[in-house]
Amino acid sequence: QVQLQESGPGLVKPSETLSLTCTVSGGSMSSYYWSWIRQPPGKGLEWIGYIYHSGSTNYNPSLKSRVTISVDTSKNQFSLKLSSVTAADTAVYYCARGITGYGDYWGQGTLVTVSS
Amino acid sequence: EIVLTQSPATLSLSPGERATLSCRASQSVSSYLAWYQQKPGQAPRLLIFDASNRATGIPARFSGSGSGTDFTLTISSLEPEDFAVYYCQQRSNWPRTFGQGTKVEIK
Repeated sequence: QVQLQESGPGLVKPSETLSLTCTVSGGSMSSYYWSWIRQPPGKGLEWIGYIYHSGSTNYNPSLKSRVTISVDTSKNQFSLKLSSVTAADTAVYYCARGITGYGDYWGQGTLVTVSS
Repeated sequence: EIVLTQSPATLSLSPGERATLSCRASQSVSSYLAWYQQKPGQAPRLLIFDASNRATGIPARFSGSGSGTDFTLTISSLEPEDFAVYYCQQRSNWPRTFGQGTKVEIK
């Protein structure tokens, strides 16, 4: 059974960089897309971007200038960096495995609050 | 960006009743639409992909239909564990987008 687990700071100061890592267990990272999706408290879902196991990426145009997603298949991990954060970036951040464009396995999510 | 509009925002039903949820796309997404269930404090769970295919382990009471711009998720007979928020999501265009959700609550 594939499992994903997000990790990283729960509090980030405005203008700083949010950094999260997702650790994948129970399966290979090959042949799948690995995504980051976020959900502001009480609101809907936003697809941030994804990375293929080979390293190719695609980012949401609304965040593209601030987002970097990277992968380390040797550690079964992929990561998210979001720069110049503001309060609007406060959200639960989920990592997910994507197959054919949908998220079939998700992490439990981690709340990141942007505040000084 | 494709906008997905879900209706109704809230559906108040009793266990055993039939639930019908709608998702309308701002332009055609062919059959590239999924449905997810989300319970409080949990991640979304994939129910239906490509409009009408149940994901692994999803009970047969969940079914999806539609193509183009109009889609429906039907829960044939609500079980207590089905009361949750449901989201649709398209994979036709980038960025992938979600609807705003329909909450199915106990009447």
